[in-house]
Amino acid sequence: AQSVAQPEDQVNVAEGNPLTVKCTYSVSGNPYLFWYVQYPNRGLQFLLKYITGDNLVKGSYGFEAEFNKSQTSFHLKKPSALVSDSALYFCAVRDGGLWGFKTIFGAGTRLFVKA
Amino acid sequence: DTAVSQTPKYLVTQMGNDKSIKCEQNLGHDTMYWYKQDSKKFLKIMFSYNNKELIINETVPNRFSPKSPDKAHLNLHINSLELGDSAVYFCASSQDGGGDKNIQYFGAGTRLSVL
Repeated sequence: AQSVAQPEDQVNVAEGNPLTVKCTYSVSGNPYLFWYVQYPNRGLQFLLKYITGDNLVKGSYGFEAEFNKSQTSFHLKKPSALVSDSALYFCAVRDGGLWGFKTIFGAGTRLFVKA
Repeated sequence: DTAVSQTPKYLVTQMGNDKSIKCEQNLGHDTMYWYKQDSKKFLKIMFSYNNKELIINETVPNRFSPKSPDKAHLNLHINSLELGDSAVYFCASSQDGGGDKNIQYFGAGTRLSVL
């Protein structure tokens, strides 16, 4: 069965500092990995994905994530945080080998960037 | 133009009532979803339709019945509403298939409050 874990409920970082939001996953086949962001009273917005290819993927708003197969991780990173990055971040995984179009979302990590 | 639109945005109703939430996407996607986000922001898939066919039906009470009249619409009807149904319900769509087609696009959500 597929699963995804976001071990931190909240991440606090000062503006201008680098940020990392952690995600680990479990799938039986090849993972399709995603990060989404949710601002207050809004739906989720796609940030970036890993399907295949380079382990470091770049996405919207200066975010990037690194796929690490041996550690089954897909941590979200940004070199310099902005106050406007404060939001709820969801990691998601889909087993690329399974039919059924089911994507599993993590519990979410709230990012708070302090000015 | 809004890609995935859901109505209403807010729904306040009494226990025992029946209500519907509508969702429409203008992205030409084949797959649509309903998710429930609880008060702790945990996001759980409820249903998924691909070209009007039900393909994912999670453990959801029979009081919830999705209807897809065409691939651009996926409505959610809820009978005999209960207090525990209070949540934010998100509609989403994706093209599905390989690679980028797995990216999901979310509506702004419908906040349901059962009194």
